[in-house]
Amino acid sequence: AQTVTQSQPEMSVQEAETVTLSCTYDTSENNYYLFWYKQPPSRQMILVIRQEAYKQQNATENRFSVNFQKAAKSFSLKISDSQLGDTAMYFCASTTSGTYKYIFGTGTRLKVLA
Amino acid sequence: KAGVTQTPRYLIKTRGQQVTLSCSPISGHRSVSWYQQTPGQGLQFLFEYFSETQRNKGNFPGRFSGRQFSNSRSEMNVSTLELGDSALYLCASSLAGGAGLPQETQYFGPGTRLLVL
Repeated sequence: AQTVTQSQPEMSVQEAETVTLSCTYDTSENNYYLFWYKQPPSRQMILVIRQEAYKQQNATENRFSVNFQKAAKSFSLKISDSQLGDTAMYFCASTTSGTYKYIFGTGTRLKVLA
Repeated sequence: KAGVTQTPRYLIKTRGQQVTLSCSPISGHRSVSWYQQTPGQGLQFLFEYFSETQRNKGNFPGRFSGRQFSNSRSEMNVSTLELGDSALYLCASSLAGGAGLPQETQYFGPGTRLLVL
């Protein structure tokens, strides 16, 4: 069964600094996808970044990038130049092609300090 | 284009009652997924529907059920409510629900907060 683990319940970072959120997963499948979602205090969940497991290149979206270590089953999110608007709960998630089911981690609450 | 909408936004029920939550996906989206979010358990997958068919379901008791209509709108029902059912229920829609295409992204609604007393 797929599992997703986020071991950091809470983190904080100073504005303009860089922070890395950790995520590990476990799956026996080869065709899977990994995601980071952001849930601000307003509660609307939005996609931050996605990574296809078959791609070796790490995904990047503006200030957000991932460090995908397939052998170690690790998928961390790096936020550069942190902004106050990055304050949110961040969820790591995975899905396997054809299952139509996403598995989420328990989340990391990130607070960006002014 | 309007986003995913969920109604009602807040609900208070008592143990033993039943509740129905509604989700309207983004226009053109045919896949709807439901999640239960609690502080201790995070987001847990309930079920996914596509073209009125349930394609997958999570590990929840039979008290939790859902359906999807021909216009892709979806409802979930919880019968015989228990205190532990208090949670934020999130709905997410996507074009077809498959993860293989880069544009196949799940868009979430604001959620329905259910409190069971």
